[in-house]
Amino acid sequence: DIQMTQSPSTLSASVGDRVTITCRASQSISSWLAWYQQKPGKAPKLLIYKASSLESGVPSGFSGSGSGTEFTLTINSLQPDDFATYYCQQYNSYPWTFGQGTKVEIK
Amino acid sequence: EVKLVESGGGLVKPGGSLRISCAASGFTFSHYNMNWVRQAPGKGLEWVSSISGSSSYILYADSMQGRFTISRDNAKNSVYLQMSSLRAEDTAVYYCAREDGSHYFDYWGQGTLVTVSS
Repeated sequence: DIQMTQSPSTLSASVGDRVTITCRASQSISSWLAWYQQKPGKAPKLLIYKASSLESGVPSGFSGSGSGTEFTLTINSLQPDDFATYYCQQYNSYPWTFGQGTKVEIK
Repeated sequence: EVKLVESGGGLVKPGGSLRISCAASGFTFSHYNMNWVRQAPGKGLEWVSSISGSSSYILYADSMQGRFTISRDNAKNSVYLQMSSLRAEDTAVYYCAREDGSHYFDYWGQGTLVTVSS
């Protein structure tokens, strides 16, 4: 199975900050990576697919980059609505696997 | 508008069985693979199972193989997860998720809570 490791596990930031979350795969997954946002008590929401493609309707302040084994999710200017937990997911090969999540908290 | 609505969760005793359902609307259901993803309380996301549009291929996570059965009824626009030999560690919110053609999950239901406890 491909292991996905996110860092940090928790991130404290302020509104307006630029934040970056890293996701590393245990083997190359090309660009087959998605990012999701989850708020408490809600379902995950797709933000980014194919490592850097922004899902329709997602604010342009979100961006993704990377390929192979190292990926990043960047939030350009953190908004109050962005405080949530973020997950990466590889879909290069079964079983589909997720990172453990990164919680973005208010500083 | 794409909608996925799960139902059927509840409290079940260890060793028991439960079937949960997901009703889909707003898209041509038979054209899409469907998945179940679960999330234990306070934990991360774990993929459970996938079923192709025609049910021609079905996949399970290793820890669910032999205990869980995914199925779908395209006439009813529904996907199901039959769970048996349930254990305390199966306690989770179970989400139904549509799989885009490229295999990421573009739409999710609101989830249904399954609690395994005596």
